Amino acid sequence: EAQVTQNPRYLITVTGKKLTVTCSQNMNHEYMSWYRQDPGLGLRQIYYSMNVEVTDKGDVPEGYKVSRKEKRNFPLILESPSPNQTSLYFCASSFTGRQPQHFGDGTRLSIL
Amino acid sequence: KQEVTQIPAALSVPEGENLVLNCSFTDSAIYNLQWFRQDPGKGLTSLLLIQSSQREQTSGRLNASLDKSSGRSTLYIAASQPGDSATYLCALLISSGSARQLTFGSGTQLTVLP
Repeated sequence: EAQVTQNPRYLITVTGKKLTVTCSQNMNHEYMSWYRQDPGLGLRQIYYSMNVEVTDKGDVPEGYKVSRKEKRNFPLILESPSPNQTSLYFCASSFTGRQPQHFGDGTRLSIL
Repeated sequence: KQEVTQIPAALSVPEGENLVLNCSFTDSAIYNLQWFRQDPGKGLTSLLLIQSSQREQTSGRLNASLDKSSGRSTLYIAASQPGDSATYLCALLISSGSARQLTFGSGTQLTVLP
């Protein structure tokens, strides 16, 4: 089954404790992207990747890092999480970024 | 900077009604426009994608139109069903060189009453 898998689905942690949210897709897509969704602000793009070792900033990249060492994986790293990064995060992928994107089920992060 | 607005923010209709959801945008230099559906606790599901050169796309009871000159798109849902209850989001893709930026509206929360 074609899917985008995010882990964990839920996480409560404390300020400053490094965390990684993993994202994996099994569709051989070149393009992958991270979004955060906040009430009243909608979905905003954090980072995206056109292919292995190629990443670029979206609208709200501050406080986040990404890496793309393999085609199927695109982890989101919060080196020093802060409460304003409490949000619902989505990973998505598509072949080149111009096709409909497939979304994961989301990761709800709470930073205390 | 692209701004995307969806009106209304929430809509409640009785089952069987035809309805229209609206999406407006400020920058017409888009590559495509997509409509998504989001169910509670779930990710987004792509419903329709309209290329910038197209005027509309249809899938089953759904029809999406695009008018770049006026900065508007509509999603028409025919004969609505309770299973259509969800949040509907439009998103515009800016594609230039290696850039692929997707900008979302805040969504319309649709409730179809049985």
